[in-house]
Amino acid sequence: DQQVKQNSPSLSVQEGRISILNCDYTNSMFDYFLWYKKYPAEGPTFLISISSIKDKNEDGRFTVFLNKSAKHLSLHIVPSQPGDSAVYFCAARLLSGNTPLVFGKGTRLSVIA
Amino acid sequence: DSGVTQTPKHLITATGQRVTLRCSPRSGDLSVYWYQQSLDQGLQFLIQYYNGEERAKGNILERFSAQQFPDLHSELNLSSLELGDSALYFCASSVSGAGYEQYFGPGTRLTVT
Repeated sequence: DQQVKQNSPSLSVQEGRISILNCDYTNSMFDYFLWYKKYPAEGPTFLISISSIKDKNEDGRFTVFLNKSAKHLSLHIVPSQPGDSAVYFCAARLLSGNTPLVFGKGTRLSVIA
Repeated sequence: DSGVTQTPKHLITATGQRVTLRCSPRSGDLSVYWYQQSLDQGLQFLIQYYNGEERAKGNILERFSAQQFPDLHSELNLSSLELGDSALYFCASSVSGAGYEQYFGPGTRLTVT
C-alpha cells in the first residue's frame, strides 16, 4: 500500500510558466516532507523540505505548500526553466524517531523552451 | 556532486549469482541508507546503518544483507539473484541517524540476465 502518492507520472510546462507538482499521503503520522529532483544517470538531489508546523516554505523559485487536513502537498516552480526538466520525488517521514523516508514514484517534469 | 560515491556504476550478472555493491558516504556523515528503484517504482528503502550498526530495516529480502565498516563505507550484498532484482540501487548518507536530508550517490544499475 503506497503511503506517498504522486498521481501524475508526467507533466509538461512551457518555459517561464508555473510548474505545479502534487503529492498525497495517507499516513497522518507523517510530519516532515521533502522534495528531491533527479536527473538521468544521477542520484536524487535534495530540493526543499517542510515540517508540519508550517504550511509554506520558499527557497528561490521553489515553494512547497502543505495542506495537512487534505494530506496533500505541492511543489511550485516559478518561473520554470528548461534545466528544471527532471523527475521529482516527494518523500515523507515521521518527525520523531528513527524512521526511513517514504518516497512516491515520482513525476517527470518537462519544461519546453 | 553529492560527495557520495558508489561502485560499480553498472553490473550485469546471471541469475543465482552473488554481487556486492559498495558505497562511500560524504565526509563526516555517519549514516548510510540503501534504496532500490525498480522500473516505474519509487525509491524503496532497504536498510540503514549508523556508525557501524544497523539502525532501521525496510523491505529488504533475506537474500540481501549489508554492513558498514569502521571507515564508514558500506556494502550491500545481493545473493541468489533473480531477474526481479534488476534495478537501480542507491546509497545515501546523512550526518545524523535521523536523516532528514539525505545525500544520494549516483547509483549502481544491476541487470540480472
